[in-house]
Amino acid sequence: RKEVEQDPGPFNVPEGATVAFNCTYSNSASQSFFWYRQDCRKEPKLLMSVYSSGNEDGRFTAQLNRASQYISLLIRDSKLSDSATYLCVVNRVLEYGGATNKLIFGTGTLLAVQP
Amino acid sequence: EAQVTQNPRYLITVTGKKLTVTCSQNMNHEYMSWYRQDPGLGLRQIYYSMNVEVTDKGDVPEGYKVSRKEKRNFPLILESPSPNQTSLYFCASSLFPPPGGDTQYFGPGTRLTVL
Repeated sequence: RKEVEQDPGPFNVPEGATVAFNCTYSNSASQSFFWYRQDCRKEPKLLMSVYSSGNEDGRFTAQLNRASQYISLLIRDSKLSDSATYLCVVNRVLEYGGATNKLIFGTGTLLAVQP
Repeated sequence: EAQVTQNPRYLITVTGKKLTVTCSQNMNHEYMSWYRQDPGLGLRQIYYSMNVEVTDKGDVPEGYKVSRKEKRNFPLILESPSPNQTSLYFCASSLFPPPGGDTQYFGPGTRLTVL
């Protein structure tokens, strides 16, 4: 099983739609989670960290479900400018639960917002 | 302007010809790393550095070398490039190493083709 898995998409949605992505992670001891955004052929940029209690930033909401080992990203009122690949990122932990200094990136979910 | 710079941005070379991709950050970050990004495989870490003179292997270090003689610079060296090292390379830095919830700042990427 991959350490971090994402549906590659593409998710084609109309402007104004609400869209949600999930990302599953394999190690239940993982502690740090992030969503990064990557525009075509550009560098990834941090969108938001994911906190245990869930967090919101404008139209974006991130949730963590430890029991099912997934994180989610909800985008409300989609804009054309939201079209990008969204990368799920998890801090790698050791088998006994110790944190490492490494981040594991998912392969990304492509979102295409249509006019 | 706070940034991570990489050079060159594009490079086409031939098998076996040594090359260096430079990476520099002006944010006094301790942690720096190199990733390669390939279709379907996502971002994979090659090497990382916790601080000056402290480097360690990531998940795909074979065929690469790095050095960290100064805090701001973290060059990636391919002693004898091969076609399977054709990829998009990103350098990244953060103030502190993971798993702290610290933003990873990525350079603009270097697209390398090895013929």
